[in-house]
Order: sequence, then C-alpha cells, then structure tokens
Amino acid sequence: GQQVMQIPQYQHVQEGEDFTTYCNSSTTLSNIQWYKQRPGGHPVFLIQLVKSGEVKKQKRLTFQFGEAKKNSSLHITATQTTDVGTYFCAGPPGSGGGADGLTFGKGTHLIIQP
Amino acid sequence: DGGITQSPKYLFRKEGQNVTLSCEQNLNHDAMYWYRQDPGQGLRLIYYSQIVNDFQKGDIAEGYSVSREKKESFPLTVTSAQKNPTAFYLCASSISGSRTDTQYFGPGTRLTVL
Repeated sequence: GQQVMQIPQYQHVQEGEDFTTYCNSSTTLSNIQWYKQRPGGHPVFLIQLVKSGEVKKQKRLTFQFGEAKKNSSLHITATQTTDVGTYFCAGPPGSGGGADGLTFGKGTHLIIQP
Repeated sequence: DGGITQSPKYLFRKEGQNVTLSCEQNLNHDAMYWYRQDPGQGLRLIYYSQIVNDFQKGDIAEGYSVSREKKESFPLTVTSAQKNPTAFYLCASSISGSRTDTQYFGPGTRLTVL
C-alpha cells in the first residue's frame, strides 16, 4: 500500500533559525495536506496543495508540492516558540475515489531552544 | 460552536474489557474517521464511514468495531481482541469524503489499558 515518509523525525533548532521538513510518497498523490499537532493536542489543518509544482505561503511558512506530485516540503523561516509541535504531511492515493481516509507520515517533531 | 467532540479525554480500562469511545460532530459532515496514534508515530486509519449505515475498514481494523447509525455519531469500540489497545484515539470528519477534503479532528481520547 501507499507509504508516506517524512524526514527528519526530530529537529532541534535555535529560536530564529529556519526549519524544513520533507515528505515523500511511494505513489502519486492527488493532493497533499499538511497538519500541525501541538504537544498534547490534536492535528489541525494547515494547507492543501493540489497542483504539480505548487508553492503556497502562509506568513513564515512556505509549502511546496513536487513536480511529480510524490514529494512535498514545509519550510518555516525564523522559527518562534509558537512553532513548536509535530508537522504531518498526509495524502490520499492518486487514483480511485471515495473516502479512504488519509495516509499520514510519521511527522517531524520541531523542538525550539530559546 | 461547530466542531467534533470526543469523550472522555482520558479513559482507563482493565485488560479484557471492551470499551467504547464516543465521537460526535455538528458540522453536518458526511464522512467520519477513526485514527490511532502511538507515541512518536503518525496517525493510522482504523475505520471510516462516508455515509450513515455504511463503514469501511482502514489499515488497522483488527480488534476494533464501529457503527454509524446517525450522521452525527461514529462510536468506536475497542474489543478485547485488540492486542495493544493503549493509544491516543482521534476522530475526524470531512464534508463529503472526497480525497481533497480537509479533515477536522476532535480533541482525542487517551486510552490506557491496565
């Protein structure tokens, strides 16, 4: 079945440094979604990318979807303590239809040192 | 307020007992999902339902059962057949179950089996 791999699993940064997490799928994705889970909380939707090569920005966050629609990245510029949490990418398979749920990566845990 | 509620937040059970986790949504969403999250791991799909009185197994359905008698409710029963039931259980919903739908998560239930 489809696998979604995320690296790195953990990332320690100093506050103010940049952060990037990468997501790779074993199959083509019709779209990719990114979620953030704060410690002790539940995943919250950040953004969805649909088009090949798409780039979207949300303030200090930049999301990219690869040309082959099999990989994606999330880049945070100048991290702040509020960015702490686990960032998940998730996607459905690229073919077929119906509510198959999302396949989530294992997430990248962002730890910020003040 | 619209949203998804899960109760209780923490649940303790003795080994060998069945336990039912509740999930209610007032978002008028057609699709609902159950995920399991283990420490440091991503989310794995247990069951999903796209319409009332219909549901499908996800990747790790063994030892679990669900029902969808009402659009608003999608309870999950963790049976004694589930070998490692201690985990964080997340319920989610989406508008129609389309693969481009955003999923909205409830606050989760942390189940500990003693």
